[in-house]
Amino acid sequence: EIVLTQSPGTLSLSPGERATLSCRASQGGSSSSLAWYQQKPGQAPRLLIFGASSRATGIPDRFSGSGSGTDFTLIISRLEPEDFAVYYCQQYGNSPYTFGQGTKLEIK
Amino acid sequence: QLQLQESGPGLLKPSETLSLTCTVSGDSITSANSFWAWIRQPPGKGLEWIGSGHYSGGTYYNPSLKSRVTISVDTSKIQFSLTLSSVTAADTAIYYCARHVRHYPSLYYFDYWGQGTLVTVSS
Repeated sequence: EIVLTQSPGTLSLSPGERATLSCRASQGGSSSSLAWYQQKPGQAPRLLIFGASSRATGIPDRFSGSGSGTDFTLIISRLEPEDFAVYYCQQYGNSPYTFGQGTKLEIK
Repeated sequence: QLQLQESGPGLLKPSETLSLTCTVSGDSITSANSFWAWIRQPPGKGLEWIGSGHYSGGTYYNPSLKSRVTISVDTSKIQFSLTLSSVTAADTAIYYCARHVRHYPSLYYFDYWGQGTLVTVSS
């Protein structure tokens, strides 16, 4: 099973700042088989990024993903108030399909 | 726009069987490139993929739960279901249904999710 480790656990930033979230895989599977999700309290996760760097339908271009192999990054270029949430990465290079433990992005 | 809605009992006793249904609307449940998944999230914790099923009968399960899980797709009712046997308190979680995108032969990401339903296991 591929274990995904996200860092930091909590990120405290202000609106307008840039957020950088990391996801590291315990094994290098298919090079770009990684997705990112956003989850707000009381809501289901929402797909943001797939294929490590492709934005899902309707996702603003302030969200960008990069990386391959074992190291992946989600960048939010300029934080909007609605971006404060928990973010999860998910790998789909190998079954079982696993998620990271999440990074909580909170308002500073 | 694809919509998914979970339904089922919210409270179970230990050793009982959990049964949930997800109703699909807005798209075809018989799409070749759609698997139908269940994912759970214990309160305040992270996400765990339970398994995914296809209308043709194909299924994939998380090995950690495989011995207790069945996922099936009912094309006549445009629903898919989850059964999880012999539940314990550790199975208390929000259960989400989702579409699991397939690019043959592999399964990929989850692009549409239901709102989730809380299932509590308690005596």
